[in-house]
Amino acid sequence: DQQVKQNSPSLSVQEGRISILNCDYTNSMFDYFLWYKKYPAEGPTFLISISSIKDKNEDGRFTVFLNKSAKHLSLHIVPSQPGDSAVYFCAASARVGSGGGADGLTFGKGTHLIIQP
Amino acid sequence: GAGVSQSPRYKVAKRGQDVALRCDPISGHVSLFWYQQALGQGPEFLTYFQNEAQLDKSGLPSDRFFAERPEGSVSTLKIQRTQQEDSAVYLCASSLDRGAGGYTFGSGTRLTVV
Repeated sequence: DQQVKQNSPSLSVQEGRISILNCDYTNSMFDYFLWYKKYPAEGPTFLISISSIKDKNEDGRFTVFLNKSAKHLSLHIVPSQPGDSAVYFCAASARVGSGGGADGLTFGKGTHLIIQP
Repeated sequence: GAGVSQSPRYKVAKRGQDVALRCDPISGHVSLFWYQQALGQGPEFLTYFQNEAQLDKSGLPSDRFFAERPEGSVSTLKIQRTQQEDSAVYLCASSLDRGAGGYTFGSGTRLTVV
């Protein structure tokens, strides 16, 4: 049973436009969310995170939105650039009141973003 | 080093063979994680160390999997009597302290069991 779901295996966006990647979760104990970017044959690279006490976090071209009531988060990339073509993973953890292992992340299956020139 | 280093990058093992995968975390990083990523899936948590203490091994799929970090730096993931379903990319990640921001991942070891 997947606790973190990325329902779009792939997404194609024109260069310069906005890319919106979506993620849903089922575990209400999750209180910290992260997005990772992964190129082929490399490990995931941390992009941006958000705590459950916030509903938005922005870093340059990347903004993450969190809707706790809907258990939904999204990553917006504006404007999209060719170098953004990669697989994007949504991840979540339950940190509040955590024991030793609660910092392990639960990942979605990823969305392959393709930026078209 | 500047990043998390994993070796070997690729490993082909015959079914039943034992393998050992190495992770060199970023110097000074307290937390170390191992993840398993099967083809077309996201990484799945295996185990977590805080310094030399293995605080969570709930993700290890069977007792054939064993991880250690004896001196609180380098870690080794050992898989005994490998099976075909063990074929995956094994990722190591480290962070400065518990849950601080995002973890830094290594490039992984791709294990293929034939």
